[in-house]
Amino acid sequence: DIQMTQSPSSLSASVGDRVTITCRASQTISSYLNWYQQTPGKAPKLLIYSASSLQSGVPSRFSGSESGTDFTLTISSLQPEDFAIYYCQQSYSFPWTFGQGTKVEIK
Amino acid sequence: QVYMVESGGGVVQPGTSLRLSCAASGFTFGNYAMHWVRQAPGKGLEWVAVIWYNESNKKYVDSVKGRFTISRDNSKNTLYLQMNSLRAEDTAVYYCARGGLYSSGWYFDYWGQGILVIVSS
Repeated sequence: DIQMTQSPSSLSASVGDRVTITCRASQTISSYLNWYQQTPGKAPKLLIYSASSLQSGVPSRFSGSESGTDFTLTISSLQPEDFAIYYCQQSYSFPWTFGQGTKVEIK
Repeated sequence: QVYMVESGGGVVQPGTSLRLSCAASGFTFGNYAMHWVRQAPGKGLEWVAVIWYNESNKKYVDSVKGRFTISRDNSKNTLYLQMNSLRAEDTAVYYCARGGLYSSGWYFDYWGQGILVIVSS
């Protein structure tokens, strides 16, 4: 199975901060990497698919990039509604696997 | 708009069975692959199973192979997960999620609200 490792596991940031979350795959996954946002008690929401494509309706402050087996989710200017847990997920091969999550908290 | 609602969860004893349902609306259900994803309390997300639009292909995570069966009824716009020989480690919120057009797709673009399954004696 492909292991997805996110870093950091949690971070504290202020409104307006630039935030970067990294996800590393244990082997090549091409660009089959997606990012989701989950707020407490809610289902996850797709933010970015295929490493860098913004899902319809998602604010442009969210962006994704890749370099080899390293993938990055960037929030350019953190907003109050962005405090949540973020997960990466690979769809290169079954079983599809998720990272362990990154909790973004208010500083 | 796309809407999916799960049902059938509850508290069951280890070794017993449960069937989850996911009723979908707002899209042509029969054209899309569908997935189940679960989340143990306070834990991360785990993909469980996928079924192609026409049931021609199904895949499972190893931990549920031989115990869980994914199926669908396109005439009823409903996805199912038959869970047998349940274990304590199957305790989780189960989400149905939409996959790709005709095949598994590459991401989950819509999710149900989730249904809680607790396996406990």
